[in-house]
Amino acid sequence: DAGVIQSPRHEVTEMGQEVTLRCKPISGHDYLFWYRQTMMRGLELLIYFNNNVPIDDSGMPEDRFSAKMPNASFSTLKIQPSEPRDSAVYFCASSSQGAREETQYFGPGTRLLVL
Amino acid sequence: AQRVTQPEKLLSVFKGAPVELKCNYSYSGSPELFWYVQYSRQRLQLLLRHISRESIKGFTADLNKGETSFHLKKPFAQEEDSAMYYCALESGGSYIPTFGRGTSLIVHP
Repeated sequence: DAGVIQSPRHEVTEMGQEVTLRCKPISGHDYLFWYRQTMMRGLELLIYFNNNVPIDDSGMPEDRFSAKMPNASFSTLKIQPSEPRDSAVYFCASSSQGAREETQYFGPGTRLLVL
Repeated sequence: AQRVTQPEKLLSVFKGAPVELKCNYSYSGSPELFWYVQYSRQRLQLLLRHISRESIKGFTADLNKGETSFHLKKPFAQEEDSAMYYCALESGGSYIPTFGRGTSLIVHP
């Protein structure tokens, strides 16, 4: 398994543009998480899904952010319109509610810069 | 509400020195604690968990319920230990971790 896959790895855009980040979780995992990492705030949980259903989106900063999971193998995080303060590294992670030894597996992250 | 506090944003030590990354938590139930590590240009990954009582790459962490702490320790730091370290807490059975803000460890030669 290639692990959690994210695309793009880097994104540079101008303020006001729409940004879409993509994630493919590990096959068989039933939880998917979106995180944002910044120097100031560390790692913040934005939203998570269980069996493709959004469970908790209280971490989503504002209405400009939205996330979807149309099927078990794909999720998107969209920012529209983007702002410079959205610049951060966005991580996707997946996990399984199976054996207790399971933990979160992180993707490589998407480094977003909004000019 | 559960909370994880890592009081140090940056910890700088010399090679061979002991290192301790602090983690304190607040949670009324029985927590499950983890340490994650992110090396430069690599993805965040699990380092160790308290239920395993294991030593990984020379690191250990003991859950102290009295002090509500889960500090990460290594007796002799190596340059390759330089990384970002996150402490995380899961409330019983939730599978949803709460992360601290992270501590950047720099080990100088």
